[in-house]
Amino acid sequence: DARVTQTPRHKVTEMGQEVTMRCQPILGHNTVFWYRQTMMQGLELLAYFRNRAPLDDSGMPKDRFSAEMPDATLATLKIQPSEPRDSAVYFCASGSRLQNTEAFFGQGTRLTVV
Amino acid sequence: AQSVTQPDIHITVSEGASLELRCNYSYGATPYLFWYVQSPGQGLQLLLKYFSGDTLVQGIKGFEAEFKRSQSSFNLRKPSVHWSDAAEYFCAVGGNYKLSFGAGTTVTVRA
Repeated sequence: DARVTQTPRHKVTEMGQEVTMRCQPILGHNTVFWYRQTMMQGLELLAYFRNRAPLDDSGMPKDRFSAEMPDATLATLKIQPSEPRDSAVYFCASGSRLQNTEAFFGQGTRLTVV
Repeated sequence: AQSVTQPDIHITVSEGASLELRCNYSYGATPYLFWYVQSPGQGLQLLLKYFSGDTLVQGIKGFEAEFKRSQSSFNLRKPSVHWSDAAEYFCAVGGNYKLSFGAGTTVTVRA
């Protein structure tokens, strides 16, 4: 059963600490999205990649957030330093064709920054 | 720019009654449209999608949606809801290498 896997599922950290979230896209998918979900803002697109290259990360605060795909089986989202306002659920999704395929979502990483 | 509006934040419906969730989109070309459902603590699951062709599309769990270009709408319907349909529903539009979501509609099902 192919699925997007995100780790960790939950993370509690202190303000100022570095946080790394990982995503394993579905094998063969060449598009990876990172979304952030909060009560106030809903689902926000942070960044997305095609064939491991970043296509758009304009939704991401550049000073503290970074997203990478070291290889086709791993995408990472890093926050350094973390702040309480970063508390949210972060979703990774993958797809096989950019224009017209659905995105398959992982179960998310619930991040709490205290 | 592409965007999605879901006018209803919260809908309460009785079990067995019909359900309709509204979605309006803004997109300059032919849109790719999706409905997703999210249960508490879970990721988003695709209910159905529209790319082209028949404007009435069938999805999983008994849902259907109708694409109306003249109204820029893609409303989701279900003839008879079940208690398990209580969840949050998101409409999304894809294109320009992006998938943009609406704010979501929370559906509560009462017995």
